[in-house]
Amino acid sequence: DVVMTQTPVSLPVSLGGQASISCRSSQSLVHSNGNTYLHWYLQKPGQSPQLLIYRVSNRFSGVPDRFSGSGSGTDFTLKISRVEPEDLGDYYCLQSTHFPWTFGGGTKLELK
Amino acid sequence: QVQLKESGPGLVQPSRTLSLTCTVSGFSLTSYGVSWVRQPPGKGLEWIAAIWSGGSTDYNSALKSRLSISRDTSKSQVLLKMNSLQTEDTAMYFCARFSYPGITTFDYWGQGVMVTVSS
Repeated sequence: DVVMTQTPVSLPVSLGGQASISCRSSQSLVHSNGNTYLHWYLQKPGQSPQLLIYRVSNRFSGVPDRFSGSGSGTDFTLKISRVEPEDLGDYYCLQSTHFPWTFGGGTKLELK
Repeated sequence: QVQLKESGPGLVQPSRTLSLTCTVSGFSLTSYGVSWVRQPPGKGLEWIAAIWSGGSTDYNSALKSRLSISRDTSKSQVLLKMNSLQTEDTAMYFCARFSYPGITTFDYWGQGVMVTVSS
């Protein structure tokens, strides 16, 4: 199975500040069709996960441009600029290139 | 609008079989796939199984021997069965929609159903 390693586990931030979350995979996430199926989710307390970024860098409908994704191969990053209160929660990366699809362990974004 | 809603028993005894239903609206099961994802209390997310728009299925290899996913398109429902339940199967179970091509991941999720395995 592809192991997804997220760092840090906890990320204290100040409102209005910037946050960066890393997600590394144990093998390349480039599919044989050339696409890279790496996605990012935010799970707020008591809620189901919500899609932020799909296929590395594409913002899902309604996601503010404060969120951006980048990376390639095995190394990916989610950046949040101008952090707002509604951005707090648990962030997960997900790879759907290889079966079984696997999630990172999560990063808790919390107030400093 | 797109909606998914999970239903099932809140409490299941060890060694018994769990049956969960995901009822969808706002889209067709013949155009989108549906997956099940679970989350033990205080822990991370684990993908369990998927049924594609064409009806084919995929399973998490670690759980495959205990799982069955199916659908009833006339009722807009996706069914998950898991047998030989253990306490470590206690979790929130979510269903989520996906599409390939397109977004190629889970774009809409249900609210989840909590399942506790206990005698």
